[in-house]
Amino acid sequence: DGGITQSPKYLFRKEGQNVTLSCEQNLNHDAMYWYRQDPGQGLRLIYYSQIVNDFQKGDIAEGYSVSREKKESFPLTVTSAQKNPTAFYLCASMARAGVLANEQFFGPGTRLTVL
Amino acid sequence: DQQVKQNSPSLSVQEGRISILNCDYTNSMFDYFLWYKKYPAEGPTFLISISSIKDKNEDGRFTVFLNKSAKHLSLHIVPSQPGDSAVYFCAASDKETSGSRLTFGEGTQLTVNP
Repeated sequence: DGGITQSPKYLFRKEGQNVTLSCEQNLNHDAMYWYRQDPGQGLRLIYYSQIVNDFQKGDIAEGYSVSREKKESFPLTVTSAQKNPTAFYLCASMARAGVLANEQFFGPGTRLTVL
Repeated sequence: DQQVKQNSPSLSVQEGRISILNCDYTNSMFDYFLWYKKYPAEGPTFLISISSIKDKNEDGRFTVFLNKSAKHLSLHIVPSQPGDSAVYFCAASDKETSGSRLTFGEGTQLTVNP
C-alpha cells in the first residue's frame, strides 16, 4: 500500500530534550512538508523540501530542523529552542513541486507532549 | 497576517440538509484552492479542489464555489450525513511559489446531527 507513515503516534519528552519525528513516504513524491496544528488554529508550515538535499523554512521554522537525505524520508527535529513544542505534527507529500494543480497527501500525525 | 480565513469555527446542521462552509482569502496571487477534511488525531484527507479559471466544481455531494472578485470560496455538502462531521480546512496555492506550498485556514468544525 502506498502512503505516508509517521511514527510514533504519541511521543512524550522532557523539557530541554531534542526529539526527532519520523516521516516516510513510498509514493515516489518529490516534495515533503511538515506542519503543526494547535487547537483552534489551522495547519502552520514548519519546513518543506521540494527535492532531495534541499529544504526551505516555512512560517514557523524557529526551534526546528530537518534533513532530506533520501527522497522517501523527511525527519523533523524539535529542538530545546522551540518555546512551545507540545502540538500535533503532520507530515505531507506532494507528487511534484512547481505544479499548481497539485494536492498534498498527509500522514496520520504525531502528537508530541513535552512535560 | 492570516491570508486564508475561515470565520466560522463551528457549524451544526441536521442530517439531510445542506452544509455551507465558507472561506475568504486576501492574497490575489492565490490561484488554486483545496478543501480538506480532518477527523481528530488523524491527518487531513483531500476532498475537492478548484482552479481560479473556474467558478464551480462538483464531486458527488460536494460542490465548491469560487468568487474571485470577492476573494471568497464555499463548500456545499448536500445532503449532509453524520459521517461528514469533521473539521474542514480550506487551503490555497499561489502562483509565486508555483504551487509548492499551501496556506491553510483555521478550520471549521462541522457537526451533522441525526
